[in-house]
Amino acid sequence: QVQLVESGGGVVQPGRSLRLSCAASGFNFPDFGMHWVRQAPGKGLEWVAVSAYDGIGTHYGDSVRGRFTVSRDNSKNLLYLEMNTLRLEDTAVYFCTKERTPRVATSNDAWGQGILVTV
Amino acid sequence: EIVLTQSPATLFLSPGERVTLSCRTSQNIYNNLGWYQQKPGQAPRLLMYETFNRATGISDRFSGSGSGTDYTLTISSLDPEDFAVYYCQQRHEWPITFGQGTRLEIK
Repeated sequence: QVQLVESGGGVVQPGRSLRLSCAASGFNFPDFGMHWVRQAPGKGLEWVAVSAYDGIGTHYGDSVRGRFTVSRDNSKNLLYLEMNTLRLEDTAVYFCTKERTPRVATSNDAWGQGILVTV
Repeated sequence: EIVLTQSPATLFLSPGERVTLSCRTSQNIYNNLGWYQQKPGQAPRLLMYETFNRATGISDRFSGSGSGTDYTLTISSLDPEDFAVYYCQQRHEWPITFGQGTRLEIK
């Protein structure tokens, strides 16, 4: 079955950096676009970033563009989120999530359990 | 970016009732809309994609409709496990955006 496991969260001071990882299993990772979505405490969902299946196409939410970088290692089934110049408002649970359809962007059908980042 | 407005923010209902949740978008998204359910302490779960299509394993009590800028999610008869927060998401253009959520609470 599909599994997505985030790691790398924790407490960090404003202005510092942190890198999240997401280990994927149970599906052919190189065929699927992968996203990061976050949720501030008590708030709604905010889309953060996407890496296309080949890692070449990326897009970012307005609030993180220029500070965050999404990347992937298809040989290791890993997705990353490099977060720089962190702000208080970046405090959230970060979810790794998978596209439903290979090589097509439609919806997010599997989610990790989330990892807390506290700035 | 495309703004999604969900209404109402909270609904108080009883099991067995029928409910319709609304999601209005700031521009035409051509049915590129999904719905997600989230329970406390859990990750979101995909319910519907591309307006009308139920995700794998989702009960046929859930149905989606809409077009243009107005979309709805209907639950035909509320089960106790359906009380949760529901989010709509547009996939028409980047950046992807979510509505602010509608919370279903037991009356």
